[in-house]
Amino acid sequence: DQQVKQNSPSLSVQEGRISILNCDYTNSMFDYFLWYKKYPAEGPTFLISISSIKDKNEDGRFTVFLNKSAKHLSLHIVPSQPGDSAVYFCAAKRPLGEKLTFGTGTRLTIIP
Amino acid sequence: DAGITQSPRHKVTETGTPVTLRCHQTENHRYMYWYRQDPGHGLRLIHYSYGVKDTDKGEVSDGYSVSRSKTEDFLLTLESATSSQTSVYFCASAGTSGRRAYEQYFGPGTRLTVT
Repeated sequence: DQQVKQNSPSLSVQEGRISILNCDYTNSMFDYFLWYKKYPAEGPTFLISISSIKDKNEDGRFTVFLNKSAKHLSLHIVPSQPGDSAVYFCAAKRPLGEKLTFGTGTRLTIIP
Repeated sequence: DAGITQSPRHKVTETGTPVTLRCHQTENHRYMYWYRQDPGHGLRLIHYSYGVKDTDKGEVSDGYSVSRSKTEDFLLTLESATSSQTSVYFCASAGTSGRRAYEQYFGPGTRLTVT
């Protein structure tokens, strides 16, 4: 049962434009959501997170939006840069838990 | 960033042999995790630890065991390696070093090939 889904395995965006990565979840009990970025041959690195009590969190070029009624979150990157080319994973956490459930990842390619 | 190292970084082994992967963190983090990453599956939790000698199973724990005798070290053992365990293995830690406990910090990964 895939509780966190990233339905787009890949996405290509031109440099300078907006990149939008999407994530859907099925468990309404999740209380915290995170995005991780992964370069080849490296471990994932934490990018940005959002609590379920908020609908938006912004950090520089990165903004995460949460739509609880739709069980959907998205990561916006504006403007996209070549260094943003990577695999992006969304993850979710249950209350009082220490485990994260990860999606399958979306490979973002920024075209110069 | 948390100081997390994994060893070895690459390993090739034969079916049926035991394999142990090591994770070492220097952040005094309480929680440690082992994941495997496979195409089409993302990151899947194998086992995790919430303290010294305290471990629990994740979603893909069959064929794996773990041990944590010290806060800084978390070992993953494949008792008898199979080709289906060919994967990239990531260790992560989270906890009480001033960061929120649910933000996990990952090691660089171990690429394991079982022939």
